[in-house]
Amino acid sequence: DGGITQSPKYLFRKEGQNVTLSCEQNLNHDAMYWYRQDPGQGLRLIYYSQIVNDFQKGDIAEGYSVSREKKESFPLTVTSAQKNPTAFYLCASRGPTGDSYNEQFFGPGTRLTVL
Amino acid sequence: QQQVKQSPQSLIVQKGGISIINCAYENTAFDYFPWYQQFPGKGPALLIAIRPDVSEKKEGRFTISFNKSAKQFSLHIMDSQPGDSATYFCAASIRNTGTASKLTFGTGTRLQVTL
Repeated sequence: DGGITQSPKYLFRKEGQNVTLSCEQNLNHDAMYWYRQDPGQGLRLIYYSQIVNDFQKGDIAEGYSVSREKKESFPLTVTSAQKNPTAFYLCASRGPTGDSYNEQFFGPGTRLTVL
Repeated sequence: QQQVKQSPQSLIVQKGGISIINCAYENTAFDYFPWYQQFPGKGPALLIAIRPDVSEKKEGRFTISFNKSAKQFSLHIMDSQPGDSATYFCAASIRNTGTASKLTFGTGTRLQVTL
């Protein structure tokens, strides 16, 4: 099956800890994205990457870091510097697919809770 | 700065009725307007999308109406069904940059279709 996988589905973190969220895609997409979703605020872009070994900050990058060592993988680290990390995190990828040029495909999400 | 404003925040419609969700944008460079559907605990999925060279696009019970001069677009769900109960997000992006193509999302509308 082609698609995007995120793990874990649920993650609990103690204050002061760094945690890494996994995102893998087998769609052969070049672009990958990380979003944060909070109730009533829609999806906010954290980081995005157009190609391997390159990534850019989104609108709310503070307290987060990413890497893009492989085309298939785009892990997100939530650092202790992120003051309010409890949220639903969504990974997405995009590739030119016919008329849906800008369609982003989303993973199932990771719900992070800080204890 | 919120570039895509979505309303209403929540909507209750009777089965068989018409659900209407509205979005307004500010950036006139936007040229791709998708709508995403999200069920609780899941990632969003593309529902329907439109480019500004047409005023309407229909796919089954779902229709996007687009008003370029007013910088507004809306989603109409005809014959709404309980299975349509979900959160709907409008979004906008610049389609043909080739790189750094980002979606700007509205804040979402929670639709509940009652029996």
